[in-house]
Amino acid sequence: AQSVTQPDIHITVSEGASLELRCNYSYGATPYLFWYVQSPGQGLQLLLKYFSGDTLVQGIKGFEAEFKRSQSSFNLRKPSVHWSDAAEYFCAVDHNTNAGKSTFGDGTTLTVKP
Amino acid sequence: EAQVTQNPRYLITVTGKKLTVTCSQNMNHEYMSWYRQDPGLGLRQIYYSMNVEVTDKGDVPEGYKVSRKEKRNFPLILESPSPNQTSLYFCATGQWYGYTFGSGTRLTVV
Repeated sequence: AQSVTQPDIHITVSEGASLELRCNYSYGATPYLFWYVQSPGQGLQLLLKYFSGDTLVQGIKGFEAEFKRSQSSFNLRKPSVHWSDAAEYFCAVDHNTNAGKSTFGDGTTLTVKP
Repeated sequence: EAQVTQNPRYLITVTGKKLTVTCSQNMNHEYMSWYRQDPGLGLRQIYYSMNVEVTDKGDVPEGYKVSRKEKRNFPLILESPSPNQTSLYFCATGQWYGYTFGSGTRLTVV
């Protein structure tokens, strides 16, 4: 069965430090991969996506992610974190062979220290 | 402005009393979906719809119904709510390149 694992439930970084959030997936074919961010009390906002081509994708708010097929990973990175980045982050897989079905990871909560 | 509108935002109800959570989108997308979010469990897909009159089960469809009679609306129906359906619910629409989510409906069943 398809699955998405976000190994870190909670991460704390200092403002200005770099950030990497991990995401591993289990899926038979090349997946469609997404990262979403959820601020407290809000819905989810799409940060970036990968379908094919260049394995390093750029998103909004200065985020990027790299697809590594050999490691079944799609880690999210940001070179310098801002206090406003504090939120919950979700990695998701869209099942391109079963269009419409999607699987989300359990989420990683990011705390930013001043 | 592109929007996904869910109503109500908050709802407290009693066990067994039928309820409907509405979802409407103004983006003319064919695809719509419902998720529930529970602490530590991420988002789990309840039902999705690829087009009008076409709906399919997600991972946790038990206890829920949906209908898709027109493109813009995708209501979620709980015929006989139970306390284990207390959750935060999100409607989403979009294309294969990413989804737009509503602001959520926090449902409490007592």
